[in-house]
Amino acid sequence: GENVEQHPSTLSVQEGDSAVIKCTYSDSASNYFPWYKQELGKRPQLIIDIRSNVGEKKDQRIAVTLNKTAKHFSLHITETQPEDSAVYFCAATLSGGYQKVTFGIGTKLQVIP
Amino acid sequence: NAGVTQTPKFRVLKTGQSMTLLCAQDMNHEYMYWYRQDPGMGLRLIHYSVGEGTTAKGEVPDGYNVSRLKKQNFLLGLESAAPSQTSVYFCAISPLIAGARETQYFGPGTRLLVL
Repeated sequence: GENVEQHPSTLSVQEGDSAVIKCTYSDSASNYFPWYKQELGKRPQLIIDIRSNVGEKKDQRIAVTLNKTAKHFSLHITETQPEDSAVYFCAATLSGGYQKVTFGIGTKLQVIP
Repeated sequence: NAGVTQTPKFRVLKTGQSMTLLCAQDMNHEYMYWYRQDPGMGLRLIHYSVGEGTTAKGEVPDGYNVSRLKKQNFLLGLESAAPSQTSVYFCAISPLIAGARETQYFGPGTRLLVL
């Protein structure tokens, strides 16, 4: 089955700096890669996603890149703000009748004011 | 439009007790999922359903049962709770539509403590 590795497990950055979280996946058939943000005590919420036919996607201060050959994808947050502090989960999905989603273990991002 | 709701929000059980967690949705989505979230282990799929009357096992199904008698509700049951089932449980839903079904919407979670 699919295996998703995520690192680092914790990340501290100064406000205004950039943050990068990296994930690797094992199943080359996976073709959809979402990123979820989970604030303390809240539910995970989708913040950005990328499909296997795209190499990069941006949405304001966040961007995701995908390298299918190396089977890794990354989340980039620029100009970090305190409200970016949360746990971020990457995931890999194998499309089909049922969407099997495999999550990484999460990265706790702390933005220091 | 509440989206996805979960009942209860928090529960304390003694070992051996049983309980049922309810996930309810008003988005008319076909797929429903139950995950558990434990520190350092991310989100792990317990059971899922691809439609009313159907259920299937996920990654960690042992000790849990599920039912989906109505499209809008997905129930997770613990017949004999164990301390290892102490966790935060999240329900999620996704639509049937191709191109959209990969995106999962999560409920607010149920925190369960088994003593």
